[in-house]
Amino acid sequence: SQQGEEDPQALSIQEGENATMNCSYKTSINNLQWYRQNSGRGLVHLILIRSNEREKHSGRLRVTLDTSKKSSSLLITASRAADTASYFCATADNYGQNFVFGPGTRLSVLP
Amino acid sequence: SAVISQKPSRDICQRGTSLTIQCQVDSQVTMMFWYRQQPGQSLTLIATANQGSEATYESGFVIDKFPISRPNLTFSTLTVSNMSPEDSSIYLCSVLDGSSYNEQFFGPGTRLTVL
Repeated sequence: SQQGEEDPQALSIQEGENATMNCSYKTSINNLQWYRQNSGRGLVHLILIRSNEREKHSGRLRVTLDTSKKSSSLLITASRAADTASYFCATADNYGQNFVFGPGTRLSVLP
Repeated sequence: SAVISQKPSRDICQRGTSLTIQCQVDSQVTMMFWYRQQPGQSLTLIATANQGSEATYESGFVIDKFPISRPNLTFSTLTVSNMSPEDSSIYLCSVLDGSSYNEQFFGPGTRLTVL
């Protein structure tokens, strides 16, 4: 299976700082998606980046994808206390299915 | 994006009983999935719910334990059968939104506690 691995497992920063989370995977993918989960609730879809894309932006979020290194990063700029959550990456196989989730990064933003 | 609801949002059940979780989508979708998230863990795919046919289960999950129904393109159920405390998890349904380049959207989850 193409297990996604997130790094770091936990991250604690001050409000206003930037937070960077990384995701690595093992086999070729169609796309990679990032999600946020607050306190064991449902997952909120953040960004999808396709295998032929290198960077995408959405508000304070910036996602990069390096298919040669089989890795992706999620950058949250100017973090807020409300960004405190767990963040997961999920890869889709070449058919855009068979999603595999990484273990997640727990982000704590301190006021 | 698709709007997904799940019932119940949470439940506390006794060992040996069964619970059926419902997933309703506000639009017709081809692909629906069921995931389990054990406490403090990531998500694990249980099965793909196929409309009009048997679900496709991932390794480690069997139909007798997790029977799934998919009577139409907007609804699915997952039953957790003969529950044990190890089944205590969050169960989430998700759909693939083909109009959004296969973005996967999730329901709010069902938090199950088995005593």
